[in-house]
Amino acid sequence: GDSVTQMEGPVTLSEEAFLTINCTYTATGYPSLFWYVQYPGEGLQLLLKATKADDKGSNKGFEATYRKETTSFHLEKGSVQVSDSAVYFCALNLAGGFKTIFGAGTRLFVKA
Amino acid sequence: GAVVSQHPSRVICKSGTSVKIECRSLDFQATTMFWYRQFPKQSLMLMATSNEGSKATYEQGVEKDKFLINHASLTLSTLTVTSAHPEDSSFYICSARADSNRSYNSPLHFGNGTRLTVT
Repeated sequence: GDSVTQMEGPVTLSEEAFLTINCTYTATGYPSLFWYVQYPGEGLQLLLKATKADDKGSNKGFEATYRKETTSFHLEKGSVQVSDSAVYFCALNLAGGFKTIFGAGTRLFVKA
Repeated sequence: GAVVSQHPSRVICKSGTSVKIECRSLDFQATTMFWYRQFPKQSLMLMATSNEGSKATYEQGVEKDKFLINHASLTLSTLTVTSAHPEDSSFYICSARADSNRSYNSPLHFGNGTRLTVT
């Protein structure tokens, strides 16, 4: 069935380190792909999205490229900050569907 | 734009009582809203899809008589946890997608969640 798999956390980095959070998906057709971020005690917010193959989503220094050949949508940031500490969710919307399928979430801790 | 307001943010209730959680889309209309439950250190579990003017669609394993959903208008959905038990303690989050942008390319907009503690 349709699913999203992302790397298990927690991920602990020092400030200014490079971040990669892996995300792969299984889906029929051509889904839209999203990264959401959840700060402590809050709901989720959209971080970035990509709607077709080779699209790159970017926001707040984060980037992810929709790779259809590897069914991946890895999240990257060149230099993380303490304020980036949060849980990051990879998700997809199926073409023609209405539900969003979420990965398990990856918790990121950034140390000063 | 696209703000979803969820209230209350925290609630503590006694076992056996009922609790109502409200989810409002403040600046857009949403025929459909979604209710999720999030366990500690786990992902979001979709509980039900709330449809304005009709019955909610519940996911497998979710008790519809325990988690009552009412979507009375295009901007308001409510989740009532009836006869609450300690195992219902959790973080509940609502979300919506604007009617004006129902494409599968469009993201969900989330409320800030409700932390329910049943004692």
